[in-house]
Amino acid sequence: EAAVTQSPRSKVAVTGGKVTLSCHQTNNHDYMYWYRQDTGHGLRLIHYSYVADSTEKGDIPDGYKASRPSQENFSLILELASLSQTAVYFCASSDRGSSGNTLYFGEGSRLIVV
Amino acid sequence: QQQVRQSPQSLTVWEGETAILNCSYEDSTFDYFPWYWQFPRESPALLIAIRPVSNKKEDGRFTIFFNKREKKLSLHITDSQPGDSATYFCAASDPGTQVVGQLTFGRGTRLQVYA
Repeated sequence: EAAVTQSPRSKVAVTGGKVTLSCHQTNNHDYMYWYRQDTGHGLRLIHYSYVADSTEKGDIPDGYKASRPSQENFSLILELASLSQTAVYFCASSDRGSSGNTLYFGEGSRLIVV
Repeated sequence: QQQVRQSPQSLTVWEGETAILNCSYEDSTFDYFPWYWQFPRESPALLIAIRPVSNKKEDGRFTIFFNKREKKLSLHITDSQPGDSATYFCAASDPGTQVVGQLTFGRGTRLQVYA
């Protein structure tokens, strides 16, 4: 049974509209992340969180907000979606600890902005 | 500027051959190097990882060779199988970040193994 689940799995959004991507984990992990994947660009970190009610900026936070209302849930919010935000978004979780812990990814959410 | 570089961008081998995927990095403070693989339409998953205290890490048919002086590493897949066809991401972690998820990923190598 998947431990990191994302919704929606696929979405078409209109430019300027608001998009919310949701992530739920049952790993009991403290850390959660949102990554963006574009063809030819690997995975880039947008936002992350290590405790509920707190979020941190990653490498490419511009145009995105994040929300961590509980340990299990982490959302990515695009207030004004733009064409350049068309991508696949992955949520991930990891156990608290030093460098070397494994990232567990969700199934991905494919977003197309038109 | 890319902190983690991978080559080649794509690689094709025949079943039974050894596939060699290369990775290099800029920051000498990186201290943890995982490789993640991703099958088409699936999410990435950890394959194998190494720390600079070792120059080799083996797990079945998968071996990482690490050269700290040259800041290079490579993933060797021996006896390649069609089921190994995937995109392989090299990543690196800086201990100063204290956040394991702050991995810097390369752009990936797409491996195709033909039967």
